Amino acid sequence: QQQVKQSPQSLIVQKGGISIINCAYENTAFDYFPWYQQFPGKGPALLIAIRPDVSEKKEGRFTISFNKSAKQFSLHIMDSQPGDSATYFCAAHKLGGTSYGKLTFGQGTILTVHP
Amino acid sequence: DGGITQSPKYLFRKEGQNVTLSCEQNLNHDAMYWYRQDPGQGLRLIYYSQIVNDFQKGDIAEGYSVSREKKESFPLTVTSAQKNPTAFYLCASRADRSTDTQYFGPGTRLTVL
Repeated sequence: QQQVKQSPQSLIVQKGGISIINCAYENTAFDYFPWYQQFPGKGPALLIAIRPDVSEKKEGRFTISFNKSAKQFSLHIMDSQPGDSATYFCAAHKLGGTSYGKLTFGQGTILTVHP
Repeated sequence: DGGITQSPKYLFRKEGQNVTLSCEQNLNHDAMYWYRQDPGQGLRLIYYSQIVNDFQKGDIAEGYSVSREKKESFPLTVTSAQKNPTAFYLCASRADRSTDTQYFGPGTRLTVL
């Protein structure tokens, strides 16, 4: 019930291409879905996040698409650049209750953008 | 310069020894978290604390202990009871219940020799 499944494990894209990473969740109580970007040897940094009351959110080249009925959400990186090469994590959590801000993370996707 | 600091960046420990990882934040955040990161497994929650002098076990608390005596500090002790302690440890904080964003520190890589 608490799992978030992320795919693919790794992704190679050419510069200028579109990178797509998918996540699926089981717990219908989840109501906040962030994506984190992590460079080697660094801590993750929040990239973009969405709530289930919208189906899409765009910030620059990064877009989250959310499908509540399918319990899936995805990250799209348009015009991918070599500087986007990093590990990306999706996550989910349920507001309120006793699990104060507890995030459940996907397994991560290693993105490599070739010049 | 605000943020979360973790020290040391790299830590080596002999089997059977306890070791304490430091996490300090000057963001005045209420909540703090400890995660463990292993290759291919994402981040897993070890302990979290909502306020000073209060903390809760996460998903993988066995072999770990924490304290929250000050708002800005949330140290993690990896005890000898932790069977596989070699990992990358990340500390995070969150302002309060009105916000969802967790901010992460730079991490400590612990290696057991």
